[in-house]
Amino acid sequence: QKEVEQDPGPLSVPEGAIVSLNCTYSNSAFQYFMWYRQYSRKGPELLMYTYSSGNKEDGRFTAQVDKSSKYISLFIRDSQPSDSATYLCAMTPTGANSKLTFGKGITLSVRP
Amino acid sequence: DVKVTQSSRYLVKRTGEKVFLECVQDMDHENMFWYRQDPGLGLRLIYFSYDVKMKEKGDIPEGYSVSREKKERFSLILESASTNQTSMYLCASSWSRGSGGGYTFGSGTRLTVV
Repeated sequence: QKEVEQDPGPLSVPEGAIVSLNCTYSNSAFQYFMWYRQYSRKGPELLMYTYSSGNKEDGRFTAQVDKSSKYISLFIRDSQPSDSATYLCAMTPTGANSKLTFGKGITLSVRP
Repeated sequence: DVKVTQSSRYLVKRTGEKVFLECVQDMDHENMFWYRQDPGLGLRLIYFSYDVKMKEKGDIPEGYSVSREKKERFSLILESASTNQTSMYLCASSWSRGSGGGYTFGSGTRLTVV
């Protein structure tokens, strides 16, 4: 079993739809959870950052972490064509020399 | 605005050439990383460094080496380029060694080896 699993997609939705992106993981030591957004031919940029379990909201984006189920989600409300990108989940434990473990990413297309 | 700058956006090199990919960050970050990104394989860690003159192998170091002579600069070297090293190369840096700090990525270098 891979440490981080992410549905490979691709995913296509109409403008205005609610989008749910998910990752599961196996390492119970993970404490920090992130979502990166990567536009075509660009580097990933940090979109959301959460620590431990719970929800975090930023505008149209909500990140949710359920450590008991080892499951994280990113919700996008009122999706826009400008949200079309690849989304990668990432996570890391605490402690020295910890590195991010990434999901493979899912490509989202929002149709006008 | 924090920046990670990769010297080239696109490179075309011949098989057997020695290739240098340069990365510079202006955030005084201690940690720097080199990844390659391929369709269906995601991000794969090549090498990383937690300090000047320090380097550690990632998951796929074969055929690569790195150099970190200054804190802000981390270079990836392809000793003898091969066609299977055609890829998108991404440099990243972070400020935290243990508290889960996120990475800042450069825009990437798309390398084609012919």
